[in-house]
Amino acid sequence: GENVEQHPSTLSVQEGDSAVIKCTYSDSASNYFPWYKQELGKRPQLIIDIRSNVGEKKDQRIAVTLNKTAKHFSLHITETQPEDSAVYFCAASDANTGNQFYFGTGTSLTVIP
Amino acid sequence: SQTIHQWPATLVQPVGSPLSLECTVEGTSNPNLYWYRQAAGRGLQLLFYSVGIGQISSEVPQNLSASRPQDRQFILSSKKLLLSDSGFYLCAWSITEAFFGQGTRLTVV
Repeated sequence: GENVEQHPSTLSVQEGDSAVIKCTYSDSASNYFPWYKQELGKRPQLIIDIRSNVGEKKDQRIAVTLNKTAKHFSLHITETQPEDSAVYFCAASDANTGNQFYFGTGTSLTVIP
Repeated sequence: SQTIHQWPATLVQPVGSPLSLECTVEGTSNPNLYWYRQAAGRGLQLLFYSVGIGQISSEVPQNLSASRPQDRQFILSSKKLLLSDSGFYLCAWSITEAFFGQGTRLTVV
């Protein structure tokens, strides 16, 4: 099955700086890569996703990049704000078959005011 | 639209008591269903995964069991809770995207 690794496990940045979280996957059949944000005591919620037919996707201050050859994808948050503090999870799946989603181990991001 | 319901939101149970957490999905058919446990500030530990009625794979040997009596119903159970069963339990479903239930904060005392 798929193996998703996520780094770093914790990340602290100053407000206004950028944050980057990286994930690698092992199964070349994976073609859908979502990112989730989990605020304290809440459920993880989808914030952005990317499919294997594109290399980058942006939504305001967040962006995701995908390198299919190297089998890694990254979440980029620019101009970080305190409300960006949360745990972020990456995931991978084969959306064509609707198979299992595999999640990374999470990154706890703290934005220091 | 699809929705997922998980209950209860919080639960305090004594050691040795039984457990039943329920999750139901609306607006879709034949979803993949998941139960995760999350320790405070930690990652998602996959407990059970189901691709269909009665089809459940267990990822981690433990004091818990799961059942899927209907296509869109997933139940997490225990006959006798341990202190170590405390945590935040999340149900999720997926087909081409994945969504989580609100979670259940379980405290075993």
